[in-house]
Amino acid sequence: AAGVIQSPRHLIKEKRETATLKCYPIPRHDTVYWYQQGPGQDPQFLISFYEKMQSDKGSIPDRFSAQQFSDYHSELNMSSLELGDSALYFCASSRGGGEYNEQFFGPGTRLTVL
Amino acid sequence: AQKVTQAQTEISVVEKEDVTLDCVYETRDTTYYLFWYKQPPSGELVFLIRRNSFDEQNEISGRYSWNFQKSTSSFNFTITASQVVDSAVYFCALSGSTGANSKLTFGKGITLSVRP
Repeated sequence: AAGVIQSPRHLIKEKRETATLKCYPIPRHDTVYWYQQGPGQDPQFLISFYEKMQSDKGSIPDRFSAQQFSDYHSELNMSSLELGDSALYFCASSRGGGEYNEQFFGPGTRLTVL
Repeated sequence: AQKVTQAQTEISVVEKEDVTLDCVYETRDTTYYLFWYKQPPSGELVFLIRRNSFDEQNEISGRYSWNFQKSTSSFNFTITASQVVDSAVYFCALSGSTGANSKLTFGKGITLSVRP
């Protein structure tokens, strides 16, 4: 069965650079969630989209922005990167705006900021 | 606001021992969902179980079992006859029932080490 695809899997950037993380949900899933997991921490919710509209927002820095496109894939754009942005970024997808409460996680993108 | 507490931070057992991972949650929702995820050293989040607030039946899946007690707001996870491959970080998580409240709130995680 198709799973959530995240690209790239690993990313190394310098401070103050920009990064774009991509998420391709499971086919026919219309909802995407983004989570950030710092070293030794639990995943923290950043933002979610349902039918290309933002549905919920967590503790996402103003330097970050995200959107969901017409094909339901999502991109997380991160600007002015800081050392503290080094983390594992997970994307999860579901259907029905989360109504079924089944979130399928991608493998994550490991971002390292030097 | 929703909250998940995993009071145990690290547990170390010898292979074949049974181990229970505790999870206590707080929510004002009457309908909610509880989850357990496993995160091995490779980093991916592996889904183990989802339980809704109306289903208090305990569940067993192989060596894994879950005990949901609404009266104490607990959703504990037991691994029977632990194996080295069970070594990982285990997260308990909670979500609401509606779309706008469907994000997952995770506990801090429990690092389980199973020694041969």
